[in-house]
Amino acid sequence: EDKVVQSPLSLVVHEGDTVTLNCSYEVTNFRSLLWYKQEKKAPTFLFMLTSSGIEKKSGRLSSILDKKELFSILNITATQTGDSAIYLCAVEPNTGNQFYFGTGTSLTVIP
Amino acid sequence: GAGVSQSPSNKVTEKGKDVELRCDPISGHTALYWYRQSLGQGLEFLIYFQGNSAPDKSGLPSDRFSAERTGGSVSTLTIQRTQQEDSAVYLCASSLYQLSYEQYFGPGTRLTVT
Repeated sequence: EDKVVQSPLSLVVHEGDTVTLNCSYEVTNFRSLLWYKQEKKAPTFLFMLTSSGIEKKSGRLSSILDKKELFSILNITATQTGDSAIYLCAVEPNTGNQFYFGTGTSLTVIP
Repeated sequence: GAGVSQSPSNKVTEKGKDVELRCDPISGHTALYWYRQSLGQGLEFLIYFQGNSAPDKSGLPSDRFSAERTGGSVSTLTIQRTQQEDSAVYLCASSLYQLSYEQYFGPGTRLTVT
């Protein structure tokens, strides 16, 4: 059964801390892995990863994929209160049109 | 520019009633997706449209759920004989092309079945 597991489920850090969020997956015929940030209701796209070992970076956020070990990490450095959100990981197989989502990591950054 | 819009933003309905949720995608986006997020669970894929056709309906949780898209634009998700387990946030997304990773999400409709 295809599945995506994220850890930790929740995390509370202080402003300025660095956090690492994890996403492991078991998906037949992997195509891509996506990270989203969800505040309130609608997730916003962060990264798409298709190749192992190539880091994607956007400001204080970065992500990398390991297709051999079947996981990805999302790093956030120098966290700010505005980073508080649920971070969702999704995996897209190359068959069909579904995305398999993890349940997300709830990040709270306190001043 | 206008993003994906959904209506209503909140809907409270009695068990057994039918509800209709609406999604207006970004103009020109050919692909449209419906998701559901229940409390404490991840996003659940329901259905996607390419143009007006829905090649994959396998995510719909039961035959009480149906969706249509007309004119390659607006989509409606209909839930008949609602049950309490249907309570969730229903999210719509659109993308320029099929299977494009850049999906733009609407704000969602929070459905509460009492």
